[in-house]
Amino acid sequence: EDKVVQSPLSLVVHEGDTVTLNCSYEVTNFRSLLWYKQEKKAPTFLFMLTSSGIEKKSGRLSSILDKKELFSILNITATQTGDSAVYLCALKSYNTDKLIFGTGTRLQVFP
Amino acid sequence: GAVVSQHPSWVICKSGTSVKIECRSLDFQATTMFWYRQFPKQSLMLMATSNEGSKATYEQGVEKDKFLINHASLTLSTLTVTSAHPEDSSFYICSEQRTSNNEQFFGPGTRLTVL
Repeated sequence: EDKVVQSPLSLVVHEGDTVTLNCSYEVTNFRSLLWYKQEKKAPTFLFMLTSSGIEKKSGRLSSILDKKELFSILNITATQTGDSAVYLCALKSYNTDKLIFGTGTRLQVFP
Repeated sequence: GAVVSQHPSWVICKSGTSVKIECRSLDFQATTMFWYRQFPKQSLMLMATSNEGSKATYEQGVEKDKFLINHASLTLSTLTVTSAHPEDSSFYICSEQRTSNNEQFFGPGTRLTVL
């Protein structure tokens, strides 16, 4: 059975800290791995990763995929209170466009 | 700006009633839309894939007679929760798939509370 597991489940940090969120998976065949940020409503897209070892970067956020070890990480440097959210990792099936979501990591950044 | 809208954004209904949720693509003709459900403090679970002009494809464990999906046009898919019960209370989110860049755009979600 395809599985996507994120760790930690929750994280509490102070502003300015750096955090690393993990996403490991047991999915036999997938097209891409995606990261989303979810605040009160629907998820908003952060990154899509398809190739192993290539870092994607957007401001203070960056992400990388390791297809050999079956995981991805999302880094957030110099965290701000606005980064508080649930971060979701999802794998897109190769044959369909279905997304298999991970458990999510709830990040709380305090001033 | 938003590319997918949902209506209503929240709804409270009595047990036994049916509730219709609309998912509308604002700037795109989506042949495929997805419906997800999210219980409190849990992740998104795919319920069904909605295909324009044909029957929806439901995930294992999702009752097709209870969650009726209609994708009558390229810009509108509807999910009807029939004979809703308190355990159907959840956050329902739709998304559209863009083949141009392989991204999936999510609607703002509909929070359903069944009393």
